[in-house]
Amino acid sequence: QVLLQESGPGLVKPSETLSLTCSVSGYSISSGYYWAWIRQPPGKGLEWIGSIYLYNSGNPYYKPSLKSRVTISADTSTNQFSLKLSSVTAADTATYYCARDLGARWLVQGVFDYWGQGALVTVSS
Amino acid sequence: EIVLTQSPGTLSLSPGESASLSCRASQSLTSNYLGWYQQKPGQAPRLLIYAASSRATGIPDRFSGSGSGTDFTLTISGLEPVDSAVYYCHVYGNSPGSFGGGTKVEIK
Repeated sequence: QVLLQESGPGLVKPSETLSLTCSVSGYSISSGYYWAWIRQPPGKGLEWIGSIYLYNSGNPYYKPSLKSRVTISADTSTNQFSLKLSSVTAADTATYYCARDLGARWLVQGVFDYWGQGALVTVSS
Repeated sequence: EIVLTQSPGTLSLSPGESASLSCRASQSLTSNYLGWYQQKPGQAPRLLIYAASSRATGIPDRFSGSGSGTDFTLTISGLEPVDSAVYYCHVYGNSPGSFGGGTKVEIK
């Protein structure tokens, strides 16, 4: 059973950096597949933020419109990966999900089969 | 970026009926890289369908996906009360792409 769990502050001040960690159990993040961050503003739809692939390169991939503010990294020794989003505004208030992306099986990205329960992050002073 | 438009916005049906949810892409998906997710209130999305018509592990055969090009459909046969949720389509490929705005399915 693959389990993902997000953790981090639930409240971040405007202009500061949002930081979240996803702890994975039941599967090694370095064994294959992409590992992704997805967010959902209250009452709205889903938005992919970025992913990381650790099997060989460890390269992160970011949504172009967020690329200047996003950093995704991983610690294989603790089987965790992390999200940092800088210069946040109220528009970044959302539930943030981490997810496993099966897409590498077919040389694509975007087949999210396991998800964390989500972490609500509010941006407010 | 490919834009996905889902319709209708809300579908209200009785148990046992069939639901047909539409997802239209702003340009043709040459490889049918289209997925469907179910999201219940307070829960994370759940993968139902990938590659337009392949059911994910553990998904009952009441859920089926079809379509190609720009028009895709998720069909839920024999609706059950537990199917009450918002359903999102999602285009993917070289990058994880974008999600549609969702269709809410209500069970009367």
